[in-house]
Amino acid sequence: AQSVTQPDIHITVSEGASLELRCNYSYGATPYLFWYVQSPGQGLQLLLKYFSGDTLVQGIKGFEAEFKRSQSSFNLRKPSVHWSDAAEYFCAVGPYSSASKIIFGSGTRLSIRP
Amino acid sequence: GAGVSQSPRYKVAKRGQDVALRCDPISGHVSLFWYQQALGQGPEFLTYFQNEAQLDKSGLPSDRFFAERPEGSVSTLKIQRTQQEDSAVYLCASSQRRDEQYFGPGTRLTVT
Repeated sequence: AQSVTQPDIHITVSEGASLELRCNYSYGATPYLFWYVQSPGQGLQLLLKYFSGDTLVQGIKGFEAEFKRSQSSFNLRKPSVHWSDAAEYFCAVGPYSSASKIIFGSGTRLSIRP
Repeated sequence: GAGVSQSPRYKVAKRGQDVALRCDPISGHVSLFWYQQALGQGPEFLTYFQNEAQLDKSGLPSDRFFAERPEGSVSTLKIQRTQQEDSAVYLCASSQRRDEQYFGPGTRLTVT
């Protein structure tokens, strides 16, 4: 079965602290992996994506993610969070072979402690 | 040009009413997707168009849901005889290349 698991529903970190959001996936074909961010009342914005190549991917807003095939994981990291990073984060997986549906995780809500 | 736009942004419907949600994709984008996002959940796929052809409608939850894209641009998602369980945010996305989908702000539907 194809699925994405984000085990942390809600995370609170202090401003300036480092962040890691966990994501595990199950996908039959070669996966195309994504991280999206959703601020209240806003649509989804793509932070980064990975299909092949260097397993450490750089994205926008200072985020990066590491693909680990052996663990079926694609965790999102940021060395120092800002108050503006407070939002909902979604990990997602889709096929690279064609434009098709993306399967999303249930999301992790990030709160920032001043 | 502009991003994906959706209208209305908010819709309140009484149970049993029909609703129509509109999506204007980014100009020139061939692919268009609809997703449903329930409160506290991730988006779930509803249906997918390539130009005017509906290539996948496996996610539509019932035959009360219908989507169209007659000229390969604007799309409309119609829900007939709305039920309370239809309350959600409906997201539209478009893409030109096969990898990246650009999402609109969504339409929040509340069925009372």
